[in-house]
Amino acid sequence: QLQLQESGPGLVKPSETLSLTCSVSGGSISSSSHYWGWIRQPPGKGLEWIGSFHYSGKIHYNPSLKSRVTILVDMSKNQLSLKLSSVTAADTAVYYCGREYYDFWSGYPGWFDPWGQGTQVTVSS
Amino acid sequence: DIVMTQSPDSLAVSLGERATINCKSSQSVLYSSNNKNYLAWYQQKPGQPPKLLIYWASTRESGVPDRFSGSGSGTDFTLTISSLQAEDVAVYYCHHYYSPHALTFGGGTKVEIK
Repeated sequence: QLQLQESGPGLVKPSETLSLTCSVSGGSISSSSHYWGWIRQPPGKGLEWIGSFHYSGKIHYNPSLKSRVTILVDMSKNQLSLKLSSVTAADTAVYYCGREYYDFWSGYPGWFDPWGQGTQVTVSS
Repeated sequence: DIVMTQSPDSLAVSLGERATINCKSSQSVLYSSNNKNYLAWYQQKPGQPPKLLIYWASTRESGVPDRFSGSGSGTDFTLTISSLQAEDVAVYYCHHYYSPHALTFGGGTKVEIK
């Protein structure tokens, strides 16, 4: 059974870089049938897609975050990582990683299933 | 970006009654090449990650009870819970994955028991 587990610092100072890792077990991050992505949810609010990675090298970022986001993958560790630079209080959220359907018609990511449990990140001095 | 607008923001339904949630996209998410609507629905219970219910607008994910159904095409979509159960109390989100636009989610609809 595929499982995803997010990890990283729960507290980040303003202007610093947020770094999170998603460890995947029960499946391979090099699957051609899936993207792997990040989503976040600010306290009491809705969901925001951050970006998605396919092992072929395709990466898609939310344009609103693109200048600050980097998604990397360590195939040997079966891990996905997220780096978000120059954080502010507005970046406080629960951060989720998830597996995404790979749409062979468009070559783009689809729905998320499953999701990790999420990790709370607070930006504060 | 495609904006997803859900309505209502919240609704209270009696046990065993029907719950209907609407989702409208600012432009069509119907992909002409394969005639599929690039829309999914998720359920999120407090303290839990979202759970996939429906994809391709109307295809129920394996293991999801058949009281959940999705319908619609183009820009207007509906999630229906035919007979609300206590365990269905949650926030429901629609989500478009119509590329190459940024993936976006609706604002969510909170379903409660009346």
